[in-house]
Formats: sequence, structure tokens, C-alpha cells
Amino acid sequence: DVKVTQSSRYLVKRTGEKVFLECVQDMDHENMFWYRQDPGLGLRLIYFSYDVKMKEKGDIPEGYSVSREKKERFSLILESASTNQTSMYLCASSLSTGNYGYTFGSGTRLTVV
Amino acid sequence: AQSVTQLGSHVSVSEGALVLLRCNYSSSVPPYLFWYVQYPNQGLQLLLKYTTGATLVKGINGFEAEFKKSETSFHLTKPSAHMSDAAEYFCAVSAVDSSYKLIFGSGTRLLVRP
Repeated sequence: DVKVTQSSRYLVKRTGEKVFLECVQDMDHENMFWYRQDPGLGLRLIYFSYDVKMKEKGDIPEGYSVSREKKERFSLILESASTNQTSMYLCASSLSTGNYGYTFGSGTRLTVV
Repeated sequence: AQSVTQLGSHVSVSEGALVLLRCNYSSSVPPYLFWYVQYPNQGLQLLLKYTTGATLVKGINGFEAEFKKSETSFHLTKPSAHMSDAAEYFCAVSAVDSSYKLIFGSGTRLLVRP
């Protein structure tokens, strides 16, 4: 079965730490996405990548960066974690054609204390 | 700006009753349309999609949706709710500027009463 795998389901980090969230897909998808999900705010796009080493800012990129060195892996980096980055983080991937939609990972619930 | 509107952040139905979750979208080109379901502490799972062809599409778990171009709607229905349907549901439309990007609605939480 095809999958998007997020390395951690739950993470607790301290304020100021550098945090890495990892996402791996085994479907040879060109596009990968990072969202955060907060109650009442729905899904908000942080960054996406349409090819290796290519990235574009989404709606809320401040405080985040990303890395895509290999097609199957897309990392989200919190340079200096803050309490307002406590959230559910969702990774997704898709084909370039778009008509198959996204495949999502199970999510990482990050708590910054 | 392109948008997806889901009417009602919470919908409550009795077990066995009809489920109707509403979705309206804006798009200047023929869109791809999707419904996703999210169970607690999980990622989103594709329920069904409309790309081309038949406007009534069937998905998993007995759900279906109808694309109505004139009404710019893609409402999700299920004839008889089950307790296991309790979840959050998201409608999404492909972006005008790049079809592989999706614009998501804010979600509707479905509550099913025994």
C-alpha cells in the first residue's frame, strides 16, 4: 500500500530548540506539502515543493524552513521553536497532474513547552 | 481569491439519519473536487473525488457527492449515518493557478447521536 510516513506521531520540544519533522513518501510523487492544523483554523499551508531542491512558501512560512534533497523526503524545520508553534503538522504528497488529490501522512502532534 | 466554503462547522445527526455536508467553491476553470475525512489524531483520508465525467461520484463508506456546476457546489451525502462516521470532513478544490495545489475548506465536524 502506498504511504506517506511522518517520523513521529507525538513530539514534545522546549522553546528555542531546533526541531526537524520528517516526511517520506514511497509513491514517486513530484509534489510534497507541509500543513499545520489548529482548531477553528482548518489546514494552513506552510511550504510546498514541486521538485527536488525546489520549494515555495505557502500561507504561513514565518518561523519555518524546509529541505528536499531527495524526491521521497521533505523535511520541515522549526529554526527556534516557540509555544505558538504547538500544533498538528500534516505532510502530504501528490502527482503533478493533480487529479488524484493528496495522500496525507498520519500527522505529528508537536507540543512546545 | 479562490475559496471553499463549508457551511456549518458542526453538524449533528441521529444514527440512521441522512448526512448532508455542504461545500461551495469558487473557481474560474473546471475544477477538481475532493472530500477528505479525518478521524481523531489521524491524517486526512480521501473519501471521493470529481475530476471529469459523471457528476455524481461515489466514495468509500457509502458516501457520495454531486458536482453541480451551476450552483458551484459539491455537497457530501450519506443516506444513513453510522456511529463510525463521526469525524471531521474537509472539502477541497484544485487551485486555478496550478491543478496540483488544493484549496481546503475549514472543515465540518460530524457528530452522530445514538
